[in-house]
Amino acid sequence: QSALTQPASVSGSPGQSITISCTGTSSDVGGYKHVSWYQQHPGKAPKLMIYDVSNRPSGVSNRFSGSKSGNTASLTISGLQAEDEADYYCCSYTSSSTQVFGIGTKVTVL
Amino acid sequence: EVQLVQSGAEVKKPGESLKISCKGSGFTFTNYWIGWVRQMPGKGLEWMGIIYPGDSDTRYSPSFQGQVTISADRSIRTAYLQWNNLKASDTAMYFCARLVGPNEELGMDVWGQGTTVTVSS
Repeated sequence: QSALTQPASVSGSPGQSITISCTGTSSDVGGYKHVSWYQQHPGKAPKLMIYDVSNRPSGVSNRFSGSKSGNTASLTISGLQAEDEADYYCCSYTSSSTQVFGIGTKVTVL
Repeated sequence: EVQLVQSGAEVKKPGESLKISCKGSGFTFTNYWIGWVRQMPGKGLEWMGIIYPGDSDTRYSPSFQGQVTISADRSIRTAYLQWNNLKASDTAMYFCARLVGPNEELGMDVWGQGTTVTVSS
């Protein structure tokens, strides 16, 4: 199974909104509601930001939201803050009863 | 506190065997899938596989099937990732993580601190 496609980088100014896309196939993103998003700061373990397309775990800011249309899932960060600068990965359940990560997106706060 | 604590950094030679561990606490270990994720130096996350300690049911990514073994000892609330023939290309950080609930489709909400594995002659 191939890694899901994400833009290599996305940037925005403080206070702006940005959206990161995650494109797969009907065998993963398009076929299931089980898409999750992770934030990873350098040298740290990943942190779950969104699961099942649009659910936020307790403690995650409501500035983070998720959605899906067809084979593409999206993560939107509203009110961009300096602390949001990190790498972001999507992950989807697949028809092989496994999961697959996206290639990752570096978010830069200008 | 819900947490996963991983074993320490390892330095091994090609061809050697290795088993790293991930100990859970603060939750019912047998009720959650535990997964392993690889991150090679400067690269992205790779989903390796998961295990359900309640019955040792296991899933492997095709990329890792046959290359590693995932196991668990529920009596000591510990999951393992094992290699029998390490290669230099196994050099990476390895994270364990707990899935959100008892279903294998879910995301990973609790992460270990990571174990660095270095394979070099």
